[in-house]
Amino acid sequence: QITLKESGPTLVKPTQTLTVTCTFSGFSLSTSEVGVAWIRQPPGKALEWLALIYGNDDKRYSPSLKSRLSITKDTSKNQVVLTMTNVDPVDTATYYCAHDSRGYKGFEYWGQGTLVAVSS
Amino acid sequence: QSVLTQPPSASGTPGQKVTISCSGSSSNIGSNYVYWYQNLPGTAPKLLIYRNNQRPSGVPDRFSGSRSGTSASLAISGLRSEDEADYYCAAWDASLSAVVFGGGTKLTVL
Repeated sequence: QITLKESGPTLVKPTQTLTVTCTFSGFSLSTSEVGVAWIRQPPGKALEWLALIYGNDDKRYSPSLKSRLSITKDTSKNQVVLTMTNVDPVDTATYYCAHDSRGYKGFEYWGQGTLVAVSS
Repeated sequence: QSVLTQPPSASGTPGQKVTISCSGSSSNIGSNYVYWYQNLPGTAPKLLIYRNNQRPSGVPDRFSGSRSGTSASLAISGLRSEDEADYYCAAWDASLSAVVFGGGTKLTVL
């Protein structure tokens, strides 16, 4: 059974760095065919893909946010961490992580999401 | 402005069939698989369709997907009140090297 759960701060101040962690179970992030993605959804707005990392450490980023994002994995802890620098109130959103099978089945499994507000 | 274009809203009455469109380009829908997600309020998105027209186990066959050229569609037949949700299409964009989502379509069951 595959499960994912996001964790992180509920409030971050503008210009600070946001770090959210995805802790997963039921699969191993150790092959090129398995990955974990981050997707966010601002309140009342659409889904936005942020980043992806595969088991072979292949990383992909949203072109519009690439300069501010970093995605890493800790295979021993079954965790994927997304870091976003210089946050702004427009970064207020629910941040989801999701399992990816290299496009075979899309994002079939999702975490419950974690709401992060950016405000002073 | 989303890379994939969806109508902002759609509606139907119980039992009807509704179709939601998703328009893209040769670098995304035209050359890569399309996925559809259902997003109920307050819950995580749920995969409805993968690889253009495949349903994950547990998704009713009332939901079907298709792709033609640079456009895709999600059809929901036998509409039910519980189908009221936001629906998103997604695809890999080879030019951007990124996953792109549509802007979402809010389905209302009248």
